[in-house]
Amino acid sequence: AQKITQTQPGMFVQEKEAVTLDCTYDTSDQSYGLFWYKQPSSGEMIFLIYQGSYDEQNATEGRYSLNFQKARKSANLVISASQLGDSAMYFCAMNSDYKLSFGAGTTVTVRA
Amino acid sequence: EAQVTQNPRYLITVTGKKLTVTCSQNMNHEYMSWYRQDPGLGLRQIYYSMNVEVTDKGDVPEGYKVSRKEKRNFPLILESPSPNQTSLYFCASGASSYNSPLHFGNGTRLTVT
Repeated sequence: AQKITQTQPGMFVQEKEAVTLDCTYDTSDQSYGLFWYKQPSSGEMIFLIYQGSYDEQNATEGRYSLNFQKARKSANLVISASQLGDSAMYFCAMNSDYKLSFGAGTTVTVRA
Repeated sequence: EAQVTQNPRYLITVTGKKLTVTCSQNMNHEYMSWYRQDPGLGLRQIYYSMNVEVTDKGDVPEGYKVSRKEKRNFPLILESPSPNQTSLYFCASGASSYNSPLHFGNGTRLTVT
C-alpha cells in the first residue's frame, strides 16, 4: 500500500524568504512519480512540479524545486523567494501503478 | 483550451435523492479518476478508469458508482446520498503513465442534508 506523509499542517513564511515543505512516502514499487500540487483558497488544484523515481537530478520549475532523497523516501518542496500569492494549501502526491495518492496537505501563509 | 470540466460547482441535496456529477475532458486522456477532499485527510480516491469500460475502486468507493462509456466522460453517481458524503469532489484526467501529472477539474462542493 502507498502512503504519503506531510507532517506540517501549517507554516508561516516571511515574504521573499524560502520555505521547505516536507513529504515522505512509502512504496514497494520501483517506478513511481512524485508530484506537488497547489490549492489556493479558490479551490482549484494546480500542478507545480514532478520528480520521477529514476531521475538523478532534482526537479526545478521556476521558484519551485524538489529535494528528492530516494533512500530516505522523501520529496520535499522548496519555494524560494516567497510571494503573497504563494499562500495556499500544498499537497504532495505519488503516482504508482496508476494510482495517485495524496498527503494531508500543508497550509502555507506568506506574511508581508 | 485543454481542460477538465465538472458540473455542477455547487450542489445541495437531501439524503437519499440520487444525483450525478458530470466530468468531461478534452485532452483524449485514457486515465480518469474521482477524488473527494475532506479537511485533514487530503484527497482520497473514489474510483478510477484506465480506459473506456474499464473502472476500478479506489480507497473510498462505498456509496458511489461510476461509468466510462465514452473516453471523454466519467460521471460520478451517488444513488442514495448520505450526510457523510458531504465533501469537495474533484475529477481528474491524465495519460496512463506514472510520470504524467493529473489535470483536475474545478471541483464540486456537495452538501447532503
